[in-house]
Amino acid sequence: QKEVEQDPGPLSVPEGAIVSLNCTYSNSAFQYFMWYRQYSRKGPELLMYTYSSGNKEDGRFTAQVDKSSKYISLFIRDSQPSDSATYLCAIRIAAGTSYGKLTFGQGTILTVHP
Amino acid sequence: DTGVSQNPRHKITKRGQNVTFRCDPISEHNRLYWYRQTLGQGPEFLTYFQNEAQLEKSRLLSDRFSAERPKGSFSTLEIQRTEQGDSAMYLCASSPMGSNQPQHFGDGTRLSIL
Repeated sequence: QKEVEQDPGPLSVPEGAIVSLNCTYSNSAFQYFMWYRQYSRKGPELLMYTYSSGNKEDGRFTAQVDKSSKYISLFIRDSQPSDSATYLCAIRIAAGTSYGKLTFGQGTILTVHP
Repeated sequence: DTGVSQNPRHKITKRGQNVTFRCDPISEHNRLYWYRQTLGQGPEFLTYFQNEAQLEKSRLLSDRFSAERPKGSFSTLEIQRTEQGDSAMYLCASSPMGSNQPQHFGDGTRLSIL
């Protein structure tokens, strides 16, 4: 079993829809949670970063963390064709020997069609 | 542009040849990371530097792989005697010091083994 599980999709939605992307993880030592967006042939771009349970909002994006269920989500409101990309969740521990290591999900491919 | 810079963007080589990639982190970022990403997968951690010290190496980093950061600024990743399975995108990321600083990625070097 992978440490971080993410449904690869693909996910196709109409413009303006609310998109929900999710990851589950198995290691309770994970304390920092990130969402990255990756366009084709580009590197991952940081979208959201949080280290506590609850919601964090930034414009059309909301990140949600439920540590008790080991479940994280990213919501995109009023989705746009420019949101079409692969979305990666990434998690790391707070301290210890693997402090620098991000563990990524497989990535979900999202297409927003006009 | 003051982001993470990686060169070359694409490297094509024959099996058995040695290749070297370069990463220039964001200025004043003390931490530098290397990841490998294959098609349809999330990035996988390879190694991590804090200044010039290599603090962690993944088991994915076989003896044919070596990474350096001699002056605590740019870093190089060398692969000796390349194999077909080395074909991937090699991503570099950097972050400032601090327990809750996120990693920012470059656009990667795509390695193709003929």
